[in-house]
Amino acid sequence: GAVVSQHPSWVICKSGTSVKIECRSLDFQATTMFWYRQFPKQSLMLMATSNEGSKATYEQGVEKDKFLINHASLTLSTLTVTSAHPEDSSFYICSAGGRASSYEQYFGPGTRLTVT
Amino acid sequence: TQLLEQSPQFLSIQEGENLTVYCNSSSVFSSLQWYRQEPGEGPVLLVTVVTGGEVKKLKRLTFQFGDARKDSSLHITAAQPGDTGLYLCAGIRTGNQFYFGTGTSLTVIP
Repeated sequence: GAVVSQHPSWVICKSGTSVKIECRSLDFQATTMFWYRQFPKQSLMLMATSNEGSKATYEQGVEKDKFLINHASLTLSTLTVTSAHPEDSSFYICSAGGRASSYEQYFGPGTRLTVT
Repeated sequence: TQLLEQSPQFLSIQEGENLTVYCNSSSVFSSLQWYRQEPGEGPVLLVTVVTGGEVKKLKRLTFQFGDARKDSSLHITAAQPGDTGLYLCAGIRTGNQFYFGTGTSLTVIP
């Protein structure tokens, strides 16, 4: 199966700073990448859908100015949490799709963000 | 409000017991997937079901897609501690829209 990586795997930052999380598809080109947020023992909440070369589509209630998404190439999408606050602390997961079958979505290992 | 409701939300059972997790919706999906996720990791795909009424078996796991393609179930026989994790169903609509269920956290006690 396809491999998706995320970097960093965990990060601690101070309130008010910005944090960038990278999502890479290592062995295939992903025209579409998805960003999710997850709280402990809860399901994934879709934040935004990112298409290569175009603006991301954000889900209702997600602040696009706070969660900046860039999908500059077919193998890389980034999520930047700007002016982070403790309530932004969460597990962020990306996934990549875009291969032949619409069933396919490959998940990264996630990034644990803690804002102090 | 999430499109797919899973039940139960939490489940703690003894090793060797059987269990069933349900994934229900009022919406129709073109296909449905089940994932298992361990703490600190991304979800891992277990199965994709496409046809209404379809049943798929994966060792001790049996997956069923409802006839109307609105619901699904996951049955685990003789649960083992290694089955512990968060189980997620995901319904897929046309246009590659994924809708995740509310999740079921399973703990199998040795």
